[in-house]
Amino acid sequence: GENVEQHPSTLSVQEGDSAVIKCTYSDSASNYFPWYKQELGKRPQLIIDIRSNVGEKKDQRIAVTLNKTAKHFSLHITETQPEDSAVYFCAASKRNAGKSTFGDGTTLTVKP
Amino acid sequence: DGGITQSPKYLFRKEGQNVTLSCEQNLNHDAMYWYRQDPGQGLRLIYYSQIVNDFQKGDIAEGYSVSREKKESFPLTVTSAQKNPTAFYLCASSILTMAGNSNQPQHFGDGTRLSIL
Repeated sequence: GENVEQHPSTLSVQEGDSAVIKCTYSDSASNYFPWYKQELGKRPQLIIDIRSNVGEKKDQRIAVTLNKTAKHFSLHITETQPEDSAVYFCAASKRNAGKSTFGDGTTLTVKP
Repeated sequence: DGGITQSPKYLFRKEGQNVTLSCEQNLNHDAMYWYRQDPGQGLRLIYYSQIVNDFQKGDIAEGYSVSREKKESFPLTVTSAQKNPTAFYLCASSILTMAGNSNQPQHFGDGTRLSIL
């Protein structure tokens, strides 16, 4: 089955700096890659997703890039703010799989 | 407000006891999922269902059971066979396309925290 590895497990940055979280996947048939943000004590929420027919997607300070050849995708957060502090999960799924495989999460801390 | 409701928020289990976690959604989503979240281990899939009266085992189904009698409801029972049930349990749902493609975002509930007495 699919295996998703996420790095780093913890990341600390200064406010205003950029943060990058990387995920690798094993199944070349995977074609949908969402990112979820989970604030402390709250539910995970989708922040951005990308499908395999594009290489990059951007939404304000958040961007995701996909390299299908290398089977990895990354989340980029620019101009980080303290409210960006949370656990971020990547996931991968393929058509008709009925399920997604999640990475182990990255705890991002943005220091004021 | 459309969404997913999990109850209770906190649950305590005695030795040898089965407990049931509730998950209800009014999003009209076909697919529903149960995940277990332990510190540092991400979200591990317990069971999932794409249609009423049908469900599949996930990666860690042992010691758990589910039912899907109604589209909007997907309760999870943690049985006495689950020897380490202390965890945070998350329910989610998503749209399925006509082709049964599951590649749609998942919407999560607020979770249930289960502890052993």
